[in-house]
Amino acid sequence: NAGVMQNPRHLVRRRGQEARLRCSPMKGHSHVYWYRQLPEEGLKFMVYLQKENIIDESGMPKERFSAEFPKEGPSILRIQQVVRGDSAAYFCASSTDSYNEQFFGPGTRLTVL
Amino acid sequence: AQSVTQPDIHITVSEGASLELRCNYSYGATPYLFWYVQSPGQGLQLLLKYFSGDTLVQGIKGFEAEFKRSQSSFNLRKPSVHWSDAAEYFCAVGARSFQKLVFGTGTRLLVSP
Repeated sequence: NAGVMQNPRHLVRRRGQEARLRCSPMKGHSHVYWYRQLPEEGLKFMVYLQKENIIDESGMPKERFSAEFPKEGPSILRIQQVVRGDSAAYFCASSTDSYNEQFFGPGTRLTVL
Repeated sequence: AQSVTQPDIHITVSEGASLELRCNYSYGATPYLFWYVQSPGQGLQLLLKYFSGDTLVQGIKGFEAEFKRSQSSFNLRKPSVHWSDAAEYFCAVGARSFQKLVFGTGTRLLVSP
């Protein structure tokens, strides 16, 4: 059983470009969570999604950031018009439901030049 | 609001010595508590978790943690540290539903020969 997959593992963007981060949850998992880890900090919750629904986006910046988890395909975290402060590691986690543990992917490290 | 404090940013332990990493949490009800380990450039791996029941929890790689409600603590311990344990350790707390984890800032463990 493959774990949580994230791609790309490393992403370099120039200021003003768009970044798209993908997350494929573990097989049988329909709950996806996105976290951001800034340098020298812990992970911060961004958004919690189930298939086709955003359940909690309280940690997501109001502008430029969006997330989706379509019926088919991976979950996508989209950052428009990236700025240097968006440089971070973005981790995706998945679970079978909201009462069970989350399994984390290897992360996508975004660098904004 | 939930919060997690890991008071030690760095800890250095000699190989073979015992280890205790501190974690204090703030949460209004009985929390879900977790310890994760992150090796450089990698994702997070779950070491152990506390949901309910026995307050002494056994995890993988010889780690254990004890939930002390009176002290709002969930300290991680290992009787004999190996060089391969060098990594960053994160304590996290979750609500009873939705599993929106709140992470501490982490403790970096260095193991000296």
